[in-house]
Amino acid sequence: EIVLTQSPGTLSLSPGKRATLSCRASQSVTSNYLAWYQQKPGQAPRLIIYGASTRATGIPDRFSGSGSGTDFTLTISRLEPEDFAVYSCQQYGISPPTFGQGTKVEI
Amino acid sequence: QVQLVQSGTEVKKPGASVKVSCKASGYTYTRDGISWLRQAPGQGLEWMGWISANSGNTNYAQKFQGRVTMTTDTSTSTAYMELRSLRSDDTAVYYCAHFSGTYQHLFDYWGQGTLVTVSS
Repeated sequence: EIVLTQSPGTLSLSPGKRATLSCRASQSVTSNYLAWYQQKPGQAPRLIIYGASTRATGIPDRFSGSGSGTDFTLTISRLEPEDFAVYSCQQYGISPPTFGQGTKVEI
Repeated sequence: QVQLVQSGTEVKKPGASVKVSCKASGYTYTRDGISWLRQAPGQGLEWMGWISANSGNTNYAQKFQGRVTMTTDTSTSTAYMELRSLRSDDTAVYYCAHFSGTYQHLFDYWGQGTLVTVSS
């Protein structure tokens, strides 16, 4: 199975700043089938990016995804208070689908 | 809008079984599928398997084969996940998640989660 490694584990930033999160795969992700999810405490994950760079419905354009092959990035251009959460990447190209351990974005 | 509503918190003893339900609304239930995932305390997400809502075909993660059964009731648009022979390391929040036929492992809508605690 594909192992996804996210870095950093924790990102401490202020509102208004830019956040850059990394996700590295142990082998190439088929067709760039890489998604990002946001999860807040006590809540279910929320899909924000799929296909490495396509925003899900209703996701603001301050969120962007990039990358291909084994290296992917989630960028939040200007952090809003509601963006402080845990972000996980997931590959859905081959079974079993696998997730990274998450990056916590904190104030 | 798509909604998945799961059953409530469960507390079980080691060796017991648990059955979690996931009632879907806001879309044509039989068109798509439901996956089940779990998240142990402080850990990442783990995929357990999926079920086709219409056909009942299933695909379980190797780790859970022989211990998990996923079923679907099209009359009530409800999916079920039963996990048997529970151990303490099965303590987790269990989620159901919707996927469409286009991307079988892309989870665009999630249930609210069901906490299952396994403790003697």
